Amino acid sequence: DTAVSQTPKYLVTQMGNDKSIKCEQNLGHDTMYWYKQDSKKFLKIMFSYNNKELIINETVPNRFSPKSPDKAHLNLHINSLELGDSAVYFCASSRRVLNTEAFFGQGTRLTVV
Amino acid sequence: AQKITQTQPGMFVQEKEAVTLDCTYDTSDPSYGLFWYKQPSSGEMIFLIYQGSYDQQNATEGRYSLNFQKARKSANLVISASQLGDSAMYFCAMSAPQGGSEKLVFGKGTKLTVNP
Repeated sequence: DTAVSQTPKYLVTQMGNDKSIKCEQNLGHDTMYWYKQDSKKFLKIMFSYNNKELIINETVPNRFSPKSPDKAHLNLHINSLELGDSAVYFCASSRRVLNTEAFFGQGTRLTVV
Repeated sequence: AQKITQTQPGMFVQEKEAVTLDCTYDTSDPSYGLFWYKQPSSGEMIFLIYQGSYDQQNATEGRYSLNFQKARKSANLVISASQLGDSAMYFCAMSAPQGGSEKLVFGKGTKLTVNP
């Protein structure tokens, strides 16, 4: 059983389109995240949710809208895609405990053409 | 603000030898966690090892150990008896509190190549 699963694994789309990435975790964790890994492999947080509530929004353009229907799911919707949005997007989850490891999904490679 | 520095963009090691990947950190928080993740060419992020700021002993997980030197603010990863499958990107990360939650702050990574 996959602990944190995200779909799709690959996403190729044209500029201006709207797309969504879905994420689900079966670890019973309260906290979920979206991280972005750029072309230089640098990882940076975008959002975090605690039990469906948005806690961290790290100066991400408002074209990016996360949605958490329940604490096991965190989806990412991106409007009006731009070339610079091309990256790998990782969903992750963790227990709601300080200084605890996060478990990552397999990543979604988004390519905007 | 929290910061992680990994000064080795790439490292090479012979199979069966040990290798140390460097990581230094900066934070003003007294309580923090330090993590290492492995990212193979397939792209997934694999958690390897964790060290808490108050832990007295260095963390170990199988062939991985974390050389934690608090005064020097370093958290180096030591991989013993390297295997070909250890070839990957390795990221050092630190937990950083924010707004009642916390996030991981990552270094830029070190690409490890294990030679046969």
